[in-house]
Amino acid sequence: EVQLVESGGGLVQPGGSLRLSCAASGFTFTKYWLSWVRQAPGKGLEWVANINQDGSEKNYVDSVKGRFTISRDNALNSLDLQMNSLRAEDTAIYYCARHGRDRGWGGDQDSRALDMWGQGTMVSVSS
Amino acid sequence: DIQLTQSPSFLSASVGDRVTITCRASQGFNSYLAWYLQKPGKAPKLLIHSASTLQGGVPSRFSGSGSGTEFTLTISSLQPEDFATYYCQQLNSYPFTFGPGTKVDI
Repeated sequence: EVQLVESGGGLVQPGGSLRLSCAASGFTFTKYWLSWVRQAPGKGLEWVANINQDGSEKNYVDSVKGRFTISRDNALNSLDLQMNSLRAEDTAIYYCARHGRDRGWGGDQDSRALDMWGQGTMVSVSS
Repeated sequence: DIQLTQSPSFLSASVGDRVTITCRASQGFNSYLAWYLQKPGKAPKLLIHSASTLQGGVPSRFSGSGSGTEFTLTISSLQPEDFATYYCQQLNSYPFTFGPGTKVDI
């Protein structure tokens, strides 16, 4: 089955750290860029970070730069998000998602949209 | 950063209605515009990519159009399963921003 499954969420105190993981299956993991997207309770979607196929290119939204690190292990078909110096405003459901295989990214499609999503994992930052 | 706005933010409609949602960008870009549907408690689902290309498996009552700074999502005949929140997203430049969402309700 083609799927993404997140884990690692939980309750953490402000200033603390948490590591999220996303296990991929059913597709050739090494062919795809991947992203983390979050959604605060009752709010809209916010793109957080993405990473290219071999992990050599990473991009972040400004609000998490210097605090969050995205990484991947292609041998394990796994995507991670290391979150440090957590703040209350980081409280959200965190989704991992797969990008389309855009031609500009070494693929064979005309899309880089997020075409597959995990079910999400909840992160709560509170004292 | 490219800021996206959506209108309306809330839409009350009935089964069978034709519905149009607009996504406007703070600066123009090419066709890297996507539309997603999200139901409560569920992950988003891709409907349209490249502004107007229907994602595989998505019903043909959904369509997308536009370029530059204005894009639209149209549902030709609203079905019960279409009551949800819709988001646009630009993937032209970082950060890949989303619009604030449009909730389609009865």
